[in-house]
Parts: sequence; C-alpha cells; structure tokens
Amino acid sequence: KQEVTQIPAALSVPEGENLVLNCSFTDSAIYNLQWFRQDPGKGLTSLLLIQSSQREQTSGRLNASLDKSSGRSTLYIAASQPGDSATYLCAVSDDNDMRFGAGTRLTVKP
Amino acid sequence: GAVVSQHPSRVICKSGTSVKIECRSLDFQATTMFWYRQFPKKSLMLMATSNEGSKATYEQGVEKDKFLINHASLTLSTLTVTSAHPEDSSFYICSAKPGTGGATGELFFGEGSRLTVL
Repeated sequence: KQEVTQIPAALSVPEGENLVLNCSFTDSAIYNLQWFRQDPGKGLTSLLLIQSSQREQTSGRLNASLDKSSGRSTLYIAASQPGDSATYLCAVSDDNDMRFGAGTRLTVKP
Repeated sequence: GAVVSQHPSRVICKSGTSVKIECRSLDFQATTMFWYRQFPKKSLMLMATSNEGSKATYEQGVEKDKFLINHASLTLSTLTVTSAHPEDSSFYICSAKPGTGGATGELFFGEGSRLTVL
C-alpha cells in the first residue's frame, strides 16, 4: 500500500527566503504526483502536476521536481511571501487512487 | 479550468439526523468521483471511490451503511452521512476525474464541507 510522507511537518521562515518542501513515497509505480495548497478550512488548490514521465514542473515562483526511482519529490518556493502561508500537500496517484501526505504547514513571517 | 462545487460548505446538525453533501462538476463530466475526510491538522483520508452508475468502492474501515454515496449522473455525486453522531464531525472533500480533457490523471477538488454534529 502506498505511503506518502512529508517533511517537515511545519516550517516557519522570514519573508523573502527560498524554501524546499519534501515529499517521499514508498511505491515508485505512480501515475503522477500533485502538489496542492490548502488554506485553513478550505478545499485544495492544485499547484503543480507532474506526470510519471516528467522530471519537473514550474509555475511562477514554484518549481516541483520528481525522482520516481527514489520515490521523492520536492516543492521549491522562491522568494517566499506572507501570502504563501498555508498547508502544502503532496499526493501520488496510480490512476485510480490518490494518496496524500500529511502536509507541511508553512508560515511566512513579514 | 475545471470547477468542482460542493454544497453545503458548512452544516450543523443534531445527533441522529442525516446530512447530504453534494459534489458537482460544473464544466466537465466526471466518470469517477472520490470522497475524502480530513481530521484537524491531518491529511486527507480517502473514504470511497464512486463511478457513475455503479456502486461505490469503500476503503477499509469506512462503513458503507453510514456513509451512503450515490453517483447518479456524470456531474453529480452525493455523500449522505446517516444518523450522524458527534464523531462524524469533520471536513469532507470531494474530487472528480474528467472523463475527457484535463491533464492525464488530474483530479479537481471541491471546496469542502464542514460538518458539525451536536
């Protein structure tokens, strides 16, 4: 059964810092990996989707990488802003199922 | 982009009553929808997978008679929490997979529904 782990569980940084969030998964036979943002009491906002054949995806200040063979993905956030404060979830899919990590709670202080 | 709407966003009910949560794909047809439950400061737990026109597949430990799922059309799935009790209080989120279009395998999520059972 696929298990998804995210490290760290919580992260607090000053505004302007570049940061990396980590996600690991136990079964490398994935279809794709998605990074989501969740604000308190809200649903999920998809940030980046990486297909299993891809190595990375970029959107604005966000860059996500995928190393399927080692079961790892990272989400890189450049020049962090207070508005980036949220919980970031990674999820892996085998096409019919999606498993989530517990998330990293990010706080960016002004 | 594809939009998934959940309703209601918040519901408070008395213990013993049943609550229905709707999940609609607004601009695409969803052959498969998923229901998740999220406990405070925890990640999402997959409850069940529903395919249009067939019975839902429940994850281990999820009571199918407690959480009734109906996927009667390609744009609507409903989750009914029957005889709700305080321990059913949680945040419920649905997601939908387009039958056509969208990045392969991409899911789109609703805004979630906060259920509080008194």
